[in-house]
Amino acid sequence: GDSVTQMEGPVTLSEEACLTINCTYTATGYPSLFWYVQYPGEGLQLLLKATKADDKGSNKGFEATYRKETTSFHLEKGSVQVSDSAVYFCALSDASNAGGTSYGKLTFGQGTILTVHP
Amino acid sequence: ETGVTQSPTHLIKTRGQQVTLRCSSQSGHNTVSWYQQALGQGPQFIFQYYREEENGRGNFPPRFSGLQFPNYSSELNVNALELDDSALYLCASSLLDYGYTFGSGTRLTVV
Repeated sequence: GDSVTQMEGPVTLSEEACLTINCTYTATGYPSLFWYVQYPGEGLQLLLKATKADDKGSNKGFEATYRKETTSFHLEKGSVQVSDSAVYFCALSDASNAGGTSYGKLTFGQGTILTVHP
Repeated sequence: ETGVTQSPTHLIKTRGQQVTLRCSSQSGHNTVSWYQQALGQGPQFIFQYYREEENGRGNFPPRFSGLQFPNYSSELNVNALELDDSALYLCASSLLDYGYTFGSGTRLTVV
């Protein structure tokens, strides 16, 4: 079945440091890939997405490239801020299981806690 | 600002009781999914509804059931609550290729 593996956490960085959170996936079809962010006490917010190989998703300085050959979708940011502190989830949706909709179920990784210090 | 509203935000129930959680999606979002997020874990797919019919289900027992209504609202019902049902329950709706929009969730505590 589908699965998503994220790098072990938590990650602690100083402000303006570079961030990389690794994500690899296993899927039987051609999934869409997502990064979601969850701030304390809140639900999930879509950070970025990519729907096909070599697509690059980007938002708020974060980027991730859909790499089919390595089945990866690593999240990167060149300079993190204290306000980026949150839990980050990598996820995939396999449209072949969508049952007529555009998106099937989302399969999430376990999440990576990011803490950025001033 | 999310277009998906969940109620209540917090809930405490006793083991063995039944609970109903509610979700109001954005107009036109014909697909709604429910997820269970245990503390420190990623969300786990419970089920999905498309045009008022269940069209996908995760590894959850039948005491987890749902409904989707014509006005795009939906419900998650859990019978015979167990302590392990304590979690954040998230509703997500989607439309075409825009992906899923999540609500802020309902925090359920079973004592």
